Amino acid sequence: EDQVTQSPEALRLQEGESSSLNCSYTVSGLRGLFWYRQDPGKGPEFLFTLYSAGEEKEKERLKATLTKKESFLHITAPKPEDSATYLCAVQAGYGGSQGNLIFGKGTKLSVKP
Amino acid sequence: NAGVTQTPKFQVLKTGQSMTLQCAQDMNHEYMSWYRQDPGMGLRLIHYSVGAGITDQGEVPNGYNVSRSTTEDFPLRLLSAAPSQTSVYFCASSYDPREGQETQYFGPGTRLLVL
Repeated sequence: EDQVTQSPEALRLQEGESSSLNCSYTVSGLRGLFWYRQDPGKGPEFLFTLYSAGEEKEKERLKATLTKKESFLHITAPKPEDSATYLCAVQAGYGGSQGNLIFGKGTKLSVKP
Repeated sequence: NAGVTQTPKFQVLKTGQSMTLQCAQDMNHEYMSWYRQDPGMGLRLIHYSVGAGITDQGEVPNGYNVSRSTTEDFPLRLLSAAPSQTSVYFCASSYDPREGQETQYFGPGTRLLVL
């Protein structure tokens, strides 16, 4: 069964305190792994797509990496405006879920000044 | 480009009432989908469509109907609302994900309360 598990469920950081969010997955032929950011009362906002193990992508203070079983979202020197829920999703390459996204439950990040 | 738009933003229904949640996109995307988001459950796929006239069920389709008469619009219908359908509903669209790793773009959501 295709599934995505994110940890931790919640993370509290001080401004400037770097950390990582984890996304582990099992999927029928990974076609892509997606990271989204969601602010309260808003829809998910696309951040990154990773396609193959070893790939890395960066955007400002965020860096996403991918292995064959998990992805990490590294946050370097976070600021309060980075506070949000971060969602991970995988896209199956074949089977009944081909093309559809399977989401994890998210990690709620709070960054205190 | 307005992207993905959803109406209404918020709705209160009584049990047994019907309503339609509207979703539209102006990016000429073939693929459109509906998700519901509940506390502690993450986003779950309700129905999706890979083009006009083609729809299919996702993980949690019961109690919902969809149709796709145009590329731009993908309405979600609740025929007889139940309190278990209280949730936040998101519509998303992309180019055909069966063809490659296409990014789905989400609308702002509709918050539904069923009493």
